[in-house]
Amino acid sequence: DIVMTQSPDSLAVSLGERATINCKSSQSILDSSNKNNFLAWYQQKPGQPPRLLINWASTRESGVPDRFSGSGSGTDFTLTISGLQAEDVAVYYCQQYYTTPRTFGQGTKVEIK
Amino acid sequence: QVQLQESGPGLVKPSQTLSLTCTVFGGSIRSLYYWSWIRQHPGKGLEWIGYINDTGRTYYNPSLKSRVTISLDTSTNQFSLRLTSVTAADTAVYYCTRDLGLVGGMDVWGHGTTVTVSS
Repeated sequence: DIVMTQSPDSLAVSLGERATINCKSSQSILDSSNKNNFLAWYQQKPGQPPRLLINWASTRESGVPDRFSGSGSGTDFTLTISGLQAEDVAVYYCQQYYTTPRTFGQGTKVEIK
Repeated sequence: QVQLQESGPGLVKPSQTLSLTCTVFGGSIRSLYYWSWIRQHPGKGLEWIGYINDTGRTYYNPSLKSRVTISLDTSTNQFSLRLTSVTAADTAVYYCTRDLGLVGGMDVWGHGTTVTVSS
């Protein structure tokens, strides 16, 4: 199985500041033939199901604010929230879809400082 | 706009079988997607259980494979989860999702249903 490890487990950021979440896969999830990274990011607010934010490590889903951005390649990835808003308080998960079983990171809780 | 809705018992006795159904609204289950089940233990992260594609081919998490069956019913636009020999460790919120397969993550989620395993 591909193990996904996120860091930190939690972080507190002031409103309007930047939040950075890291995700590392235990093996490369890059398809070298087309340079696609098989990585998704999700946001889960309390009492709600996860919401898909980003595919292909950096492609935002429709309707996702542009303050959310994804980057990275191979085994190391980052989700950045530029200008944290109160509604961004949530747990964020990365997930690889390179192979089965699909695996998720353990989650990173983002709070307001 | 595709929506998913889980249904099934909220309480299952130990050693019995957990059975859940996911109804797909607003779209056909006979489309080029994978239909999956995810669970989340109380206060914990997300665990992939498995999925079934439009041809009925299934893929399961090896950690649950011996106990899991996912099936598709195109006549009712539903897919189902069966998990046998349950224990308290199977107590979780169960989500059904639409999985984009090799072109993305899971873009549609049900609201989730809580299943408690207890006598």
